[in-house]
Amino acid sequence: AQSVSQHNHHVILSEAASLELGCNYSYGGTVNLFWYVQYPGQHLQLLLKYFSGDPLVKGIKGFEAEFIKSKFSFNLRKPSVQWSDTAEYFCAVNAGNNRKLIWGLGTSLAVNP
Amino acid sequence: KAGVTQTPRYLIKTRGQQVTLSCSPISGHRSVSWYQQTPGQGLQFLFEYFSETQRNKGNFPGRFSGRQFSNSRSEMNVSTLELGDSALYLCASEVAGTGYNEQFFGPGTRLTVL
Repeated sequence: AQSVSQHNHHVILSEAASLELGCNYSYGGTVNLFWYVQYPGQHLQLLLKYFSGDPLVKGIKGFEAEFIKSKFSFNLRKPSVQWSDTAEYFCAVNAGNNRKLIWGLGTSLAVNP
Repeated sequence: KAGVTQTPRYLIKTRGQQVTLSCSPISGHRSVSWYQQTPGQGLQFLFEYFSETQRNKGNFPGRFSGRQFSNSRSEMNVSTLELGDSALYLCASEVAGTGYNEQFFGPGTRLTVL
């Protein structure tokens, strides 16, 4: 069965630290990849997505992610986090012609000022 | 442009009862998906409706059902509630019917089953 794994469940960083959140998926074919974010008290919203083309995608608020097909990974990065990045981050995968989104369990990020 | 709205925001029910949740998508969006979110299982896909037809279904028992109306509004029903149905139920709408696009999420309905 298709699955998405997020390795870090809880991450605590200081402001200006660099961030990398891991995401791996299990599916050998074509995938669409997403990172969603949920700020405290707010709805889930899209950070960035990869459908095809340049494997390095840039999203909102300075976030980027790199699709590495050989590693089945789509890690999220930000060079310098801010307190306002405190949120829960979800990786999701849509595999092949299947329109279902398969989600990771999420990573809770706390950024200390 | 109004976002996705879900009603009610909170519900408390007892085992054996049934519940209906409502979702109004963003104007012009024709696809509505439902998810169950729990701390242990994360977000799990329930089903997707497009043009009043169920287009995809997740691995949930038949107690979970849904429908979509001609104005794209959708309802989700859970019958014979169990304690394990306590969760946040999220609705997401999407503009187009083919391919895959960004989903816009509502605030969710928090269901507690006692």
